[in-house]
Amino acid sequence: EAQVTQNPRYLITVTGKKLTVTCSQNMNHEYMSWYRQDPGLGLRQIYYSMNVEVTDKGDVPEGYKVSRKEKRNFPLILESPSPNQTSLYFCASSYLRGAYEQYFGPGTRLTVT
Amino acid sequence: GDSVTQMEGPVTLSEEAFLTINCTYTATGYPSLFWYVQYPGEGLQLLLKATKADDKGSNKGFEATYRKETTSFHLEKGSVQVSDSAVYFCALYSISNAGGTSYGKLTFGQGTILTVHP
Repeated sequence: EAQVTQNPRYLITVTGKKLTVTCSQNMNHEYMSWYRQDPGLGLRQIYYSMNVEVTDKGDVPEGYKVSRKEKRNFPLILESPSPNQTSLYFCASSYLRGAYEQYFGPGTRLTVT
Repeated sequence: GDSVTQMEGPVTLSEEAFLTINCTYTATGYPSLFWYVQYPGEGLQLLLKATKADDKGSNKGFEATYRKETTSFHLEKGSVQVSDSAVYFCALYSISNAGGTSYGKLTFGQGTILTVHP
């Protein structure tokens, strides 16, 4: 089954404790992206990747890191989480051309206390 | 930059009522327009799309027409069901260039929560 998986689905952590949210897709997509969803703000892009070892900042990259060492995986790293990073995070993937038909993961709800 | 504005929610309707969710956009050039739907506890799914002016996208009884003159892409459904309860996002697809490669970027509206009661 074609899908985008994220782990964990729920995470509660404390300020400053490094964490990684994993994202994996099995559709051989070149393009992968991370979004955060906040009430009243819709989805905002954090980082994206057009292929292995090619990543770039989205609209709200501060406080986040990403890497793309394999085509299928695109982890999101929070080196020192802060409460303002409490949010719902989505990973998405697509072919590079036709990026509008993005396939979304189920989401990771992160709470930073 | 590109932006999408949706009507404020939440929207609460009775089953079989008519639905309209307004969406307007600002963009350079000729973007493609989309509606995504997010059911409770799930990620977003593409609901429908329109790639040029006057196109009508449709799926699952939902429709939206790309109106270039009013820069709008309003979502409509003639008779909603309880199972339509979800968050609906209007989105705009634009072409960007990075390192000599063209790629598309989705810009989302803020989302509209729809609740349908029996």
